[in-house]
Amino acid sequence: GQQVMQIPQYQHVQEGEDFTTYCNSSTTLSNIQWYKQRPGGHPVFLIQLVKSGEVKKQKRLTFQFGEAKKNSSLHITATQTTDVGTYFCALPEGGGKLIFGQGTELSVKP
Amino acid sequence: EAQVTQNPRYLITVTGKKLTVTCSQNMNHEYMSWYRQDPGLGLRQIYYSMNVEVTDKGDVPEGYKVSRKEKRNFPLILESPSPNQTSLYFCASSPGVGTYEQYFGPGTRLTVT
Repeated sequence: GQQVMQIPQYQHVQEGEDFTTYCNSSTTLSNIQWYKQRPGGHPVFLIQLVKSGEVKKQKRLTFQFGEAKKNSSLHITATQTTDVGTYFCALPEGGGKLIFGQGTELSVKP
Repeated sequence: EAQVTQNPRYLITVTGKKLTVTCSQNMNHEYMSWYRQDPGLGLRQIYYSMNVEVTDKGDVPEGYKVSRKEKRNFPLILESPSPNQTSLYFCASSPGVGTYEQYFGPGTRLTVT
């Protein structure tokens, strides 16, 4: 089946520093989704990328879908304490299955 | 308010004692799914349902059962829980599969001793 690798597993940053998490798939994807889970909370949908090379922005968050549609990244500019949480990518495998990456846990030191 | 609800939120039980975790959504979503979350492993799909009476296995279905008799409800059944099923469980729903965002419930923390 499809393999997904998300790195890094943990990232500790000083407030104001940038942060990036990467998601890599073993197969070409139709689309990819990103979710954020705050500590003690549940995953919340952030965005979906569909087109090759697509770049989408949400305020300080920039999402990219690779040209080959096999990888994606989430970049946060100038992190804030409100960015703390775990970020997951999610890939549809077809037939109803959804595969989540292992997640990147972000901690931000004020 | 559009939401996915799960009950109970916390449960401590003993090995072998059958339990059911309920999941209900009020958004008329066709697709519902169960995940377990364990440290370092992310979210792993247990079972999913594309519609009423249509269910299928995810990546980690062993030891679990589900049913989808009504569109709004998708209970997760552990017939004989074991300690390796201690985990955080999430139910999710969406209008369809693939290109639709998933709406997650608040989670159920299960401990099996």
